[in-house]
Order: sequence, then C-alpha cells, then structure tokens
Amino acid sequence: AQSVAQPEDQVNVAEGNPLTVKCTYSVSGNPYLFWYVQYPNRGLQFLLKYITGDNLVKGSYGFEAEFNKSQTSFHLKKPSALVSDSALYFCAVRARYGQNFVFGPGTRLSVLP
Amino acid sequence: KAGVTQTPRYLIKTRGQQVTLSCSPISGHRSVSWYQQTPGQGLQFLFEYFSETQRNKGNFPGRFSGRQFSNSRSEMNVSTLELGDSALYLCASSFSGVNEQFFGPGTRLTVL
Repeated sequence: AQSVAQPEDQVNVAEGNPLTVKCTYSVSGNPYLFWYVQYPNRGLQFLLKYITGDNLVKGSYGFEAEFNKSQTSFHLKKPSALVSDSALYFCAVRARYGQNFVFGPGTRLSVLP
Repeated sequence: KAGVTQTPRYLIKTRGQQVTLSCSPISGHRSVSWYQQTPGQGLQFLFEYFSETQRNKGNFPGRFSGRQFSNSRSEMNVSTLELGDSALYLCASSFSGVNEQFFGPGTRLTVL
C-alpha cells in the first residue's frame, strides 16, 4: 500500500531564510511524487512533480524538491522564504498509472516577517 | 484554459437529506478524482473516474457515490447525510495517470 508522511505539522521560518518541508513515502516500485500548496479557503495548487530523471526538480514560485530514493524522501525547499509562502503544503504519491493519489496530512508553513 | 469548476460552492443541508455536487474538469482531461477534506482527517480520497469508469475507490461507505459523463464532467452524490459529512469536497482533474492533478475551489458542505 502507498503512504505518505509529513513529520512536521507546523514549520516556522523567518522571511529571507531558507525553508524545508519534509516528506517521506512508501510505495512499491518507482513513485510519482508531487507537491501542492493550499491557501485559505482555496483548492490545492500544483507546485512541482518528480516522475523520472534529475533528482532535483524545480517548480513554481521558486520552490524545488529533491528526490532521494535511498531515503524515500521528497523534501520541498526554497532558498529564501516570503511571507506570502505561508500556507498549507501537501506531499502526494502515486505508485503507478491507474492507482489513486495518496496525500500526506499536510504541513502548515508560517513565514514570519 | 479554464480551470476546474465546482458547483455549488456552498451548501447547507440537514441530516438525512441527500446532496449532489458537480465538477467540470479542464478541457481534455479524462480523469476526475474526488476528495473529502476535514481539519481532523486531512485529504481523504473518495473515488476516481476515467473515461466514465470508476477506476479507484477510497474507503467510504456506500452512501457516497459518483459518476462521470461522456464529456468528462462528474457528479458526486451523498445520500442520507450525517453530521460527520460536513467537509470541503474537492474535485481534481488530470490528463492521465502520471500527470499532476488540478484542483477546483471545492464545495463547502455543512450538515445541520
């Protein structure tokens, strides 16, 4: 069975500092990995994905994520956080074509001015 | 390209009633998934439809059902509503299985 863990419910970071939101997964075979962001009273917005290839994936709004197969992790990073990055972040995995997406519980990011 | 649209945006129902939610995917997308989002349970997968066929189903009771039409539009129905069904219901569409999903704004259902 597929599963996703986001070990931190909340991440606080000062504006201008680098941020990391952690994600680990469990899946049979090669995973398809995704990051989404949700702003208050809104649906989820796609940030980036890893399907295959380069382990460092770049996405929207200056975010990037690094796929680490040995550690089964897909951490989201940004070199310099903005107050406007404050939101709820979800990691998701899909084992292979035909299986449903499984989302992590979400991590609330607060960027303090 | 227009995004995923969901109607209605807000619903208030009473226990025992039934409700139908609608989702129009992005043009060309054949996969539509439904999720229930609550503060305590996070994002829970309900079901996925692909080319009018239910491809996957989450762990929800039979009161929750859905369907997809030939134009890929999808509906979700909840019968005999319970207080615990109060949630944000999100619809997401994608072109195929390996592609990312695009989410609608959700329907906020309140059961009194």
